[in-house]
Amino acid sequence: SQQGEEDPQALSIQEGENATMNCSYKTSINNLQWYRQNSGRGLVHLILIRSNEREKHSGRLRVTLDTSKKSSSLLITASRAADTASYFCATDEYGTYEKLTFGTGTRLTIIP
Amino acid sequence: DTGVSQNPRHKITKRGQNVTFRCDPISEHNRLYWYRQTLGQGPEFLTYFQNEAQLEKSRLLSDRFSAERPKGSFSTLEIQRTEQGDSAMYLCASSPLGYTFGSGTRLTVV
Repeated sequence: SQQGEEDPQALSIQEGENATMNCSYKTSINNLQWYRQNSGRGLVHLILIRSNEREKHSGRLRVTLDTSKKSSSLLITASRAADTASYFCATDEYGTYEKLTFGTGTRLTIIP
Repeated sequence: DTGVSQNPRHKITKRGQNVTFRCDPISEHNRLYWYRQTLGQGPEFLTYFQNEAQLEKSRLLSDRFSAERPKGSFSTLEIQRTEQGDSAMYLCASSPLGYTFGSGTRLTVV
């Protein structure tokens, strides 16, 4: 079963603009991760944020985590055509061994 | 060893046939996972190995599914008597902390 919802389900923006995706989850977690998936391919790990962290940066990516609201956001700044992909958040529950539960994903399209 | 390798990339099979997929994880990763992803959905957990031990199986894995990881290296996932509902992308990943996914095997049951 899916852990929760991602919002929006689809997003189209102009190249150079910022893209923000949101993820909600249901249980207490150890970590939350974001992955990118190009059409028909495997998933690429982008960034991991631990449950005791509130914000993390990696290049053009900024992730926030609000454990009180059980939500996270992924911001991609200065978007590029190559950022076109589906983005998934995934959580591993507290007390588990890294088994991930994925959200439903956001389909991001960057318009050149 | 630059990543997780999955074979075949695509498999088309007739309903009722058996299929087997292979996953070669990153050699130093002792954890290996199988996930299934249907169109428009996120991946769903199927099973987990730590070394050669299969420690958890999802209820999604019916009796027609079996996975092995002999000697804690590569893993195989077999589906017996395939059904059209088995059509999906089957993804393998290895870890520790932060998965590395393979490119997946896309199964189409006709």
